[in-house]
Amino acid sequence: GENVEQHPSTLSVQEGDSAVIKCTYSDSASNYFPWYKQELGKRPQLIIDIRSNVGEKKDQRIAVTLNKTAKHFSLHITETQPEDSAVYFCAASLDNYGQNFVFGPGTRLSVLP
Amino acid sequence: EAGVVQSPRYKIIEKKQPVAFWCNPISGHNTLYWYRQNLGQGPELLIRYENEEAVDDSQLPKDRFSAERLKGVDSTLKIQPAELGDSAVYLCASSLVGQGYNEQFFGPGTRLTVL
Repeated sequence: GENVEQHPSTLSVQEGDSAVIKCTYSDSASNYFPWYKQELGKRPQLIIDIRSNVGEKKDQRIAVTLNKTAKHFSLHITETQPEDSAVYFCAASLDNYGQNFVFGPGTRLSVLP
Repeated sequence: EAGVVQSPRYKIIEKKQPVAFWCNPISGHNTLYWYRQNLGQGPELLIRYENEEAVDDSQLPKDRFSAERLKGVDSTLKIQPAELGDSAVYLCASSLVGQGYNEQFFGPGTRLTVL
C-alpha cells in the first residue's frame, strides 16, 4: 500500500521568513496530493492541493510543487506569519476522486515573532 | 453552511467499557469517513462509506470496532470493549463525490481517553 513520509517533523522560522515542508510517497500511481493545516485542538482544514498532471500550484503565500519522477511534493509558505503556526499534514491519494487518503505524520511549524 | 458535527467532544472511560461516537456530515455529502488520529501522527482511515455502503473498512479492527450509517446520513462508530491503545482522537469527515477531486471536510473530533 501507499506510504507517505514527511520532513521535518518540527520547523521553527522567524516571522517573515519562508518555510518548506517535504513529503515523499511510495506508490507511483498516486494522483492527488492535498495539504491540510491543523491548529491546536481544531479540525484539519484543506489549504491547497495538487493533481498529478500539474507541477506547481500557488495560492497567495502558499505554493505546492510536485515531482512525479522522484515521487515527492513540497509545501512552500512565504512571508510567514504567527497565524501560520500549526501542524501541517500532506496526503496522497490513489483513487480517481481523491477519496482514499494516506496522510503523512505531520510537521509542527512554529513562526516566531 | 454548517460543518461536520461530532459528539461527544471528549470521552473518558475505563478499559473494557463500550463507547460510541456520533457524526452528522455536511448536508448533501454522500461520502463519510472515520479516521483515528494518534497523538503526533496523521489521521488514519478506519472506514469509508458511500451513501449507506461501507466501501473500505480494511483498517477497521473488526473484533472490537463497528460502524453504521443508516439512511446514508448520520453515522456511529462503536468500540466494545475499549482497550488502553484506543486512546486517540476520532475524526469524522465528509465529501461530495462527483466528477473531479472533492475536498474532505473534517469534524472537530472526539478525544477518547481509556484509563
